[in-house]
Amino acid sequence: DADVTQTPRNRITKTGKRIMLECSQTKGHDRMYWYRQDPGLGLRLIYYSFDVKDINKGEISDGYSVSRQAQAKFSLSLESAIPNQTALYFCATSVGGLDSEAFFGQGTRLTVV
Amino acid sequence: GQNIDQPTEMTATEGAIVQINCTYQTSGFNGLFWYQQHAGEAPTFLSYNVLDGLEEKGRFSSFLSRSKGYSYLLLKELQMKDSASYLCAVRDRASGYSTLTFGKGTMLLVSP
Repeated sequence: DADVTQTPRNRITKTGKRIMLECSQTKGHDRMYWYRQDPGLGLRLIYYSFDVKDINKGEISDGYSVSRQAQAKFSLSLESAIPNQTALYFCATSVGGLDSEAFFGQGTRLTVV
Repeated sequence: GQNIDQPTEMTATEGAIVQINCTYQTSGFNGLFWYQQHAGEAPTFLSYNVLDGLEEKGRFSSFLSRSKGYSYLLLKELQMKDSASYLCAVRDRASGYSTLTFGKGTMLLVSP
């Protein structure tokens, strides 16, 4: 089983709909992140959380919200989906420490039509 | 803010050596990471450099020059499975040393 699990893996939704992407981890890491990846733009940080009571905006947080329900769970919501939010979304986790690598989930491919 | 540059695409032949460069401009640099990402899959960690010099790990090596804002990933004895995107990422003061900022990635195509 994957250490960082994202659900769903693929989703097609309509413009204006609310959608939630979920991430759970069994690595016991405190830090969790949401990134989106677009062709030619690379990985960009949406939100991150260093513990259950800590939520921080990343580079591109507009149009998104998050909830850290537990140490192991971090969900990303699109309140009113729009077509330019069509992308590959990755959840990641890490421990603290400057040399700590990030471990990524398998990604959620979201299409907004 | 950060500015991270990598070539968009590179091609190489099976068995050869390829060097993927990454240049960055940051404030308060504190570490550079390389990740490999196969198409449609999750990025996976390859290497970490925080001090100048070369870090070797099997067929892969990563080099860092902090004064030049420059790193490279060296892949030896290329295999077909090395065809992937290679992502350079830095940690610096602008993000409070708390998150990674990624370059746009270099797509490497290995041909027979």
